[in-house]
Amino acid sequence: DIQMTQSPSSLSASVGDRVTITCRASQSISSYLNWYQQKPGKAPKLLIYAASSLQSGVPSRFSGSGSGTDFTLTISSLQPEDFATYYCQQSYSALRTFGQGTKVEIK
Amino acid sequence: EVQLVESGGGLVQPGRSLRLSCAASGFTFDDYAMHWVRQAPGKGLEWVSGISWNSGSIGYADSVKGRFTISRDNAKNSLYLQMNSLRAEDTALYYCAKDSSDGSGSYGNFDYWGQGTLVTVSS
Repeated sequence: DIQMTQSPSSLSASVGDRVTITCRASQSISSYLNWYQQKPGKAPKLLIYAASSLQSGVPSRFSGSGSGTDFTLTISSLQPEDFATYYCQQSYSALRTFGQGTKVEIK
Repeated sequence: EVQLVESGGGLVQPGRSLRLSCAASGFTFDDYAMHWVRQAPGKGLEWVSGISWNSGSIGYADSVKGRFTISRDNAKNSLYLQMNSLRAEDTALYYCAKDSSDGSGSYGNFDYWGQGTLVTVSS
């Protein structure tokens, strides 16, 4: 199975900060990488698909990049509603796997 | 509007069985693959199982292989998860998720999710 490793596991940031979360796959997954946001008590929400494509309705301050094994989710200017947990997921294999999550907290 | 509504969760003893259901509406159900994803209390997301549009391709996480069975009824716009030999570590909120692809050779993202049904395995 393909393993997905995110870093950091958590971070503290202030409103307006630029935030970067990384995700590494255990083998090359081309651009088959998705990012999700989950707020407490809510279902996950798709943010980015195919490594860099913004899902409809998602603010443009979110962006994704990378290919092969290394990927990045960037929030250009953190807003109060962005404090949440973020997960990467590979869709290269039928046996999908998620990263362990990155919790973004208020500094 | 796409809606996914899970049901069937509850408290069950170790070793017993439970069947989860997911009722889908707002899209052409038999055009898309579907999945079950779970989240143990305070933990991250774990993909459990997925099924292609025509049930021709099915996959399971190693943690549930041989114990869980995914199925779908396209005539009823419904997805199911039969869970046998349940263990304490299967305790989680179980989400139903729609794939953006049909699951036959191409794999998409999970563009819609239900609100989940809670399964608690305890004596």
